[in-house]
Amino acid sequence: DGGITQSPKYLFRKEGQNVTLSCEQNLNHDAMYWYRQDPGQGLRLIYYSQIVNDFQKGDIAEGYSVSREKKESFPLTVTSAQKNPTAFYLCASSLAGGLRETQYFGPGTRLLVL
Amino acid sequence: AQKVTQAQTEISVVEKEDVTLDCVYETRDTTYYLFWYKQPPSGELVFLIRRNSFDEQNEISGRYSWNFQKSTSSFNFTITASQVVDSAVYFCALSGDTGGFKTIFGAGTRLFVKA
Repeated sequence: DGGITQSPKYLFRKEGQNVTLSCEQNLNHDAMYWYRQDPGQGLRLIYYSQIVNDFQKGDIAEGYSVSREKKESFPLTVTSAQKNPTAFYLCASSLAGGLRETQYFGPGTRLLVL
Repeated sequence: AQKVTQAQTEISVVEKEDVTLDCVYETRDTTYYLFWYKQPPSGELVFLIRRNSFDEQNEISGRYSWNFQKSTSSFNFTITASQVVDSAVYFCALSGDTGGFKTIFGAGTRLFVKA
């Protein structure tokens, strides 16, 4: 079955630690996205990538970094510079970048700070 | 600027009731797309519908229907004869010309359907 996988489901971060969230898709989609969801709020875009080896900052990129070395993979690193990382993180992909494209989402990773 | 407003934070209904989730959007774009997604307790967003700005026909899919009205900048979602499995958070979203790759999501409406 084609889809998007995210791991781990839960992640705990200690103060000053960098952590990496995994996102893999086998849909053969060119575009991938990372969103952050806080309780009672909508999704906010962190980073997006239209194609391999290319990515752009979204609305809340500070304290996060990404890479896109393979079409299937778009890992997100939450750095120690992100002072309030506790949230639900969702990865998505679409066939191509563009305003008409439907995004398909993974099951999410919940990040908690110890 | 683009904006999506879902004024209803939470709605609670009894099974078999009809329920309408409101979505009001703001955009200066001529070409734009509107979406509805469902987020069940498992957390994964599920795509429900996409509508472009040039197509104001209402859409019906089983118990779901959508009413798109450009005159009031609204894209409301109605569930007929609600079921417990409809309990979820529902997001309305907007993607427009000037936004590029960005899809703007509303804050979501949490729907509780009680048996």
